[in-house]
Amino acid sequence: NAGVTQTPKFQVLKTGQSMTLQCAQDMNHEYMSWYRQDPGMGLRLIHYSVGAGITDQGEVPNGYNVSRSTTEDFPLRLLSAAPSQTSVYFCASSSDRGRSSGNTIYFGEGSWLTVV
Amino acid sequence: AQSVTQPDIHITVSEGASLELRCNYSYGATPYLFWYVQSPGQGLQLLLKYFSGDTLVQGIKGFEAEFKRSQSSFNLRKPSVHWSDAAEYFCAVGAGNFGNEKLTFGTGTRLTIIP
Repeated sequence: NAGVTQTPKFQVLKTGQSMTLQCAQDMNHEYMSWYRQDPGMGLRLIHYSVGAGITDQGEVPNGYNVSRSTTEDFPLRLLSAAPSQTSVYFCASSSDRGRSSGNTIYFGEGSWLTVV
Repeated sequence: AQSVTQPDIHITVSEGASLELRCNYSYGATPYLFWYVQSPGQGLQLLLKYFSGDTLVQGIKGFEAEFKRSQSSFNLRKPSVHWSDAAEYFCAVGAGNFGNEKLTFGTGTRLTIIP
């Protein structure tokens, strides 16, 4: 059971380049989300999805696109990288099993992105 | 919209001393609350969570947290810290039908342990 897998772990981009951060989970979870972490800011939600074909914006969506064509995958696309997108990115997933079960949210190990 | 405030940016505690990290939240309904810990260069590890029931929640590594609705607080405590507890701690409130669709995090509290 791999859990939540993020790739790549480290990436350096030039301003204006595009790239995709991959996120995959093997737990058949309905919910998936992307966060970015910056010093002094905590983690902030970029985009999230409650199921295949359904996505929505979080707190800081500008400059990022997502899609959810399968339950397992939730890629995050940077269309034209900017230095302000230098950050650590975390993908998370969880299931919808009812309130009483106290659903666990699983995080990936993070992707360190530097835009120069 | 929900929000989380962690008023202490940095706390220094002697090894063996007790610890309390503060967390205040704002949420319109019964909150789903979490505490995570992060060591430098690492991912997030869940310490404990509150969904319902007993307001005193036990977690891993000897941590506990108490949900106080009247004070909108969910403070994290440990009776005796160890040097390995040095890390950054994040409080979060969950939203959605079951509190796990998306999280709003506080800005974190960095814990330093001195011998």
